[in-house]
Amino acid sequence: EVQLVQSGAEVKKPGESLKISCQGSGHILTTDWIAWLRQMPGKGLEWMGIIYLYDSDIRYSPSFQGQVTISADKSISTAYLQWSSLKASDTAMYYCARTTVTTGGFDYWGQGTLVTVSS
Amino acid sequence: QSVLTQPPSVSGAPGQRVTISCTGSNSNIGANYDVHWYQQLPGTAPKLLIYGNSNRPSGVPDRFSGSKSGTSASLAITGLQAEDEADYYCQSYDSSLRGVFGGGTRLTVL
Repeated sequence: EVQLVQSGAEVKKPGESLKISCQGSGHILTTDWIAWLRQMPGKGLEWMGIIYLYDSDIRYSPSFQGQVTISADKSISTAYLQWSSLKASDTAMYYCARTTVTTGGFDYWGQGTLVTVSS
Repeated sequence: QSVLTQPPSVSGAPGQRVTISCTGSNSNIGANYDVHWYQQLPGTAPKLLIYGNSNRPSGVPDRFSGSKSGTSASLAITGLQAEDEADYYCQSYDSSLRGVFGGGTRLTVL
């Protein structure tokens, strides 16, 4: 059974930096892809970007390119999402999710990390 | 404005059948990219409901089914139950292999 465990909730001020994590356990393979998805309060899901654990190939949504950085450490099956300068509009729940070539869909999800940015 | 278009809400009585549409374009669904559906219960992470247009992961009841035609896809739920009340999202990819989502549909069981 695959599990994705995300780091805990964060409260930050505008302009601060942040890095959140998503650690996989169980049957996570280096041939898996891990995506980050945003859900703003009361809103729908947004695809931010995805990273291939094997070689850290990354694709960003145009909406998030340059706004966040996605990275991974395949040796510990962990993906990261980071901001260099947070804005109030970054306040949201962030999910990581796994996809494989077998399903194409996101078959396992993290529990979510709530990021609150407020002065 | 989401790339894929879903109705904001649908409703149905227990036992009835409802469908949720997901309309894309020739840059995503119509470009032969698969459609996946997710169910999000209040306060929880989404759950994969249908993958590859019409396939159910293990554990998903056969009351849920998916189909795709041209630039659109649909999720059908038969024998509606109270626990089906949730938000439903469709997802696909575009020609640059970036993921795209629908805006979500709130299902209310009357």
